[in-house]
Amino acid sequence: DGGITQSPKYLFRKEGQNVTLSCEQNLNHDAMYWYRQDPGQGLRLIYYSQIVNDFQKGDIAEGYSVSREKKESFPLTVTSAQKNPTAFYLCASSARDRVNQPQHFGDGTRLSIL
Amino acid sequence: GQQLNQSPQSMFIQEGEDVSMNCTSSSIFNTWLWYKQDPGEGPVLLIALYKAGELTSNGRLTAQFGITRKDSFLNISASIPSDVGIYFCAGRDPGSSNTGKLIFGQGTTLQVKP
Repeated sequence: DGGITQSPKYLFRKEGQNVTLSCEQNLNHDAMYWYRQDPGQGLRLIYYSQIVNDFQKGDIAEGYSVSREKKESFPLTVTSAQKNPTAFYLCASSARDRVNQPQHFGDGTRLSIL
Repeated sequence: GQQLNQSPQSMFIQEGEDVSMNCTSSSIFNTWLWYKQDPGEGPVLLIALYKAGELTSNGRLTAQFGITRKDSFLNISASIPSDVGIYFCAGRDPGSSNTGKLIFGQGTTLQVKP
């Protein structure tokens, strides 16, 4: 089945540690996105990528980094510079053959501090 | 930056009742999307709207793209317990058509009493 796979489901970070969240899609979508969700809030955009080897900062990019070496993969690294990383992280993708294509989401990774 | 105001923030209703929620924007959008999120999962697309005045149904769900292009509503008729979850509106402004970026409302938490 086509879809977006995020792993792991749960992740714990120690002080000063970088952690990487995986996002893989087999929908052949060009565009991919990373969001952060905090309780009682909407989704906030961290980074997005419209094409391989290219990505742009979203609204809250500080303390995060991404790469887009393959069309199907868009990993997110939460660096030690992100002082409040505890949140639910969502990856999404969308087609770009029609510019108004909606985004489709993975099932998220919950990151907590040890 | 742009903001979406989604209301109500939460609703607690009796099974069988109808539900209405809405989103308003400070600027015009050319796409409105409605998503539902179950606990611990990613949002799932319910309805997509692309033209001002458009009214679209998906089973017991009905959504409309406001004629001013600055608002949208979602109605759920004859609610059932599995309607429980968080409902998000999302909009795309004309300037973001190339990037596919969305702006999300803060969500409406729906609880249904059997």
